[in-house]
Amino acid sequence: NAGVTQTPKFQVLKTGQSMTLQCAQDMNHEYMSWYRQDPGMGLRLIHYSVGAGITDQGEVPNGYNVSRSTTEDFPLRLLSAAPSQTSVYFCASSSAGTGGGYTFGSGTRLTVV
Amino acid sequence: AQSVTQLGSHVSVSEGALVLLRCNYSSSVPPYLFWYVQYPNQGLQLLLKYTTGATLVKGINGFEAEFKKSETSFHLTKPSAHMSDAAEYFCAVSALPAYSGAGSYQLTFGKGTKLSVIP
Repeated sequence: NAGVTQTPKFQVLKTGQSMTLQCAQDMNHEYMSWYRQDPGMGLRLIHYSVGAGITDQGEVPNGYNVSRSTTEDFPLRLLSAAPSQTSVYFCASSSAGTGGGYTFGSGTRLTVV
Repeated sequence: AQSVTQLGSHVSVSEGALVLLRCNYSSSVPPYLFWYVQYPNQGLQLLLKYTTGATLVKGINGFEAEFKKSETSFHLTKPSAHMSDAAEYFCAVSALPAYSGAGSYQLTFGKGTKLSVIP
């Protein structure tokens, strides 16, 4: 059971480039979320999904796009990377019955130069 | 709106001493409360959670936390610290989607407390 898998683990982008962070879960969870973690800031919610075809914005959605065409996958797209998007990104998933007990991936460390 | 305050961004304890990490929350609806642990260069792992029922919650690795509604607190404790407990700990709050207006349980995190264990 792989849980939540994120790829890549590390990425360096130039300002203005676009890229997609991949996230896949094999637990048949309904809920999936993307967070960013910055030093001293905790984790902040970017976007979330309650099921295939349904997504919504979180606390810090600007500059990011998501879609959810299947239950398993929830990619995060950076449209035009900026240095302010340098961060560690975590994908998480949860079953509707766990009251918010999310399972997290191991993260993608992104640097924008 | 919900918020979480973790007192102390860095806590140091001696091996074998009591671990106490403080968390206070703000929520206008009945909260669900969580503690997560993050080891270096890893994702977050759920330590324990309170949803309803017993206010003293036991988690993995000997940790426990007590929900005190009157104090709006959910402090994390462990009687005896081990070297392997050195990590960053995050307190988080969510609420039933019907209360929060969101489509699902959404976690609001505190800023984290880094625990160091001194041999």
